[in-house]
Amino acid sequence: AQTVTQSQPEMSVQEAETVTLSCTYDTSESDYYLFWYKQPPSRQMILVIRQEAYKQQNATENRFSVNFQKAAKSFSLKISDSQLGDAAMYFCAHQNTMDSSYKLIFGSGTRLLVRP
Amino acid sequence: DGGITQSPKYLFRKEGQNVTLSCEQNLNHDAMYWYRQDPGQGLRLIYYSQIVNDFQKGDIAEGYSVSREKKESFPLTVTSAQKNPTAFYLCASNHLDNSGNTIYFGEGSWLTVV
Repeated sequence: AQTVTQSQPEMSVQEAETVTLSCTYDTSESDYYLFWYKQPPSRQMILVIRQEAYKQQNATENRFSVNFQKAAKSFSLKISDSQLGDAAMYFCAHQNTMDSSYKLIFGSGTRLLVRP
Repeated sequence: DGGITQSPKYLFRKEGQNVTLSCEQNLNHDAMYWYRQDPGQGLRLIYYSQIVNDFQKGDIAEGYSVSREKKESFPLTVTSAQKNPTAFYLCASNHLDNSGNTIYFGEGSWLTVV
């Protein structure tokens, strides 16, 4: 069974600085997707970024980028030029594309604090 | 606007009562999911459905039931058999496009046992 581990319960960053959130996962499959979701205090789950395992190039979305290390089963999220609005819970998730349900397996989350 | 609508936002349940959480989507998505989130924790899968009139148990299905009579709707019933139902519940649906697969979430429902 797939598992996702986020070892940092909480991280803090100064506004305008860069922060990296860690995620590791365990899977025996070769084809899968990885996601980072943001959950602000409103509790809405917002998709931040998605990475296909077959792509070697790391995904980027504006100030958000990932460092995908397939052999190490690592999928970290880098937030550049941090803003106050980035403060939220961040969840890493794995999706096995060989499973027709396409269900997501989530990590326990990292709370990001942004200091003004 | 297209999206996933959950209702009610807040729900209080007395001990021994069944309650039903509504989830409706107008995205024409085939698959729908129910997740539970406890404070300070990630999301855990309760049930999912890939097609009308079919659904499968997730990791924590005990004490819950679902139905999928229409493509747009996937209601979740929290039964009296669920011993610790107080939690935040999220409904989601699946969009499969040419570039991959993305799951979208509703705004969630808070359930509190009183």
